[in-house]
Amino acid sequence: EDKVVQSPLSLVVHEGDTVTLNCSYEVTNFRSLLWYKQEKKAPTFLFMLTSSGIEKKSGRLSSILDKKELFSILNITATQTGDSAVYLCAVFQTGANNLFFGTGTRLTVIP
Amino acid sequence: ETGVTQSPTHLIKTRGQQVTLRCSSQSGHNTVSWYQQALGQGPQFIFQYYREEENGRGNFPPRFSGLQFPNYSSELNVNALELDDSALYLCASSRDAISTDTQYFGPGTRLTVL
Repeated sequence: EDKVVQSPLSLVVHEGDTVTLNCSYEVTNFRSLLWYKQEKKAPTFLFMLTSSGIEKKSGRLSSILDKKELFSILNITATQTGDSAVYLCAVFQTGANNLFFGTGTRLTVIP
Repeated sequence: ETGVTQSPTHLIKTRGQQVTLRCSSQSGHNTVSWYQQALGQGPQFIFQYYREEENGRGNFPPRFSGLQFPNYSSELNVNALELDDSALYLCASSRDAISTDTQYFGPGTRLTVL
């Protein structure tokens, strides 16, 4: 059975801390892995990863994919209160037409 | 370029009723996917519409149905509402059915079934 597992389920840190969010997957016909940030309602796109070992960066956020070990991490450095959100990992399968999501990691950044 | 919009924002219904949720896709996009997100869970795929035809369905019963119109906007209909249907319903549009991994989400409709 296909699955996407995120850990931890929730995390509380202080401003300025660095956090690492994990996403492991077991899916057939893997095509891409995506990270989204969901603050109130609409998930907003962060990264799409298709190749192993190539880090994607956007400001204080970065992500990398390991297709051999079937996982991805999302790093956030120098966290700010505005980073508080649920971070969703999703996998897209070749031949399918939908994103398969994990349950998300709820990050809370305390001032 | 306009983003994905959904209506209504919130909705309260009682068990057994029917509901219709609406989604306008982003300009230039012909594919709309619908997801159900229960509290504390990730979104779950309901179905996708591509050029007015259903193009894939998740593990949802037939009382969940949809439509896509010539302007590529879409509706999600749920009949015989159950308490477990209470959730955030998200729609997402993509340029076409092949590019579905690049989806843009709307703000969602929060449905409460009493």
